[in-house]
Amino acid sequence: GDSVTQMEGPVTLSEEAFLTINCTYTATGYPSLFWYVQYPGEGLQLLLKATKADDKGSNKGFEATYRKETTSFHLEKGSVQVSDSAVYFCALSDFTGGGNKLTFGTGTQLKVEL
Amino acid sequence: DAGVTQSPTHLIKTRGQQVTLRCSPKSGHDTVSWYQQALGQGPQFIFQYYEEEERQRGNFPDRFSGHQFPNYSSELNVNALLLGDSALYLCASSSRQGAEQYFGPGTRLTVT
Repeated sequence: GDSVTQMEGPVTLSEEAFLTINCTYTATGYPSLFWYVQYPGEGLQLLLKATKADDKGSNKGFEATYRKETTSFHLEKGSVQVSDSAVYFCALSDFTGGGNKLTFGTGTQLKVEL
Repeated sequence: DAGVTQSPTHLIKTRGQQVTLRCSPKSGHDTVSWYQQALGQGPQFIFQYYEEEERQRGNFPDRFSGHQFPNYSSELNVNALLLGDSALYLCASSSRQGAEQYFGPGTRLTVT
């Protein structure tokens, strides 16, 4: 079945540091890939997406490239801010089984300090 | 444009009781999915509804059931609650043709 593996956290960075959160996936079909962010006490917000190989999703300075050859979708940001502190989830969706259910990784907590 | 809404925000129930959670999808969306998120974990897919029918189901027992109404809103019902059912329950909506899902704020269920 489908699965998503993320690097374990917490990841602690200083403000303006470079961020990478690794994500790899296993899927039987041709999935769409997503990054969601969850702030404390809140639901999930869609951060960015990519629907086919070599697509780059980007939003709010974050970006991730769909790499089919390495089955990866790593999240990057050039300069993090304290306000980026949250839990980040990598997820995939494919349309096998009649629906578009999301399969999530376990999440990576990011802490950004001044 | 209203996003996905869920009610109630918090709920405390006793083991063995039954609970109903509610969700209204984002305007223009016709598909509703439910997820369970245990503390410190990623969300786990429960089931998805489209055209008032369950279209896809995750690995959850029959104690978990749902319904979708003609206005696309949805309910999640859990019978015979167990302590392990304590979690954040998330509703997500999407259009049938779209891949991305948009989440509500969730209902925090505590079973004592």
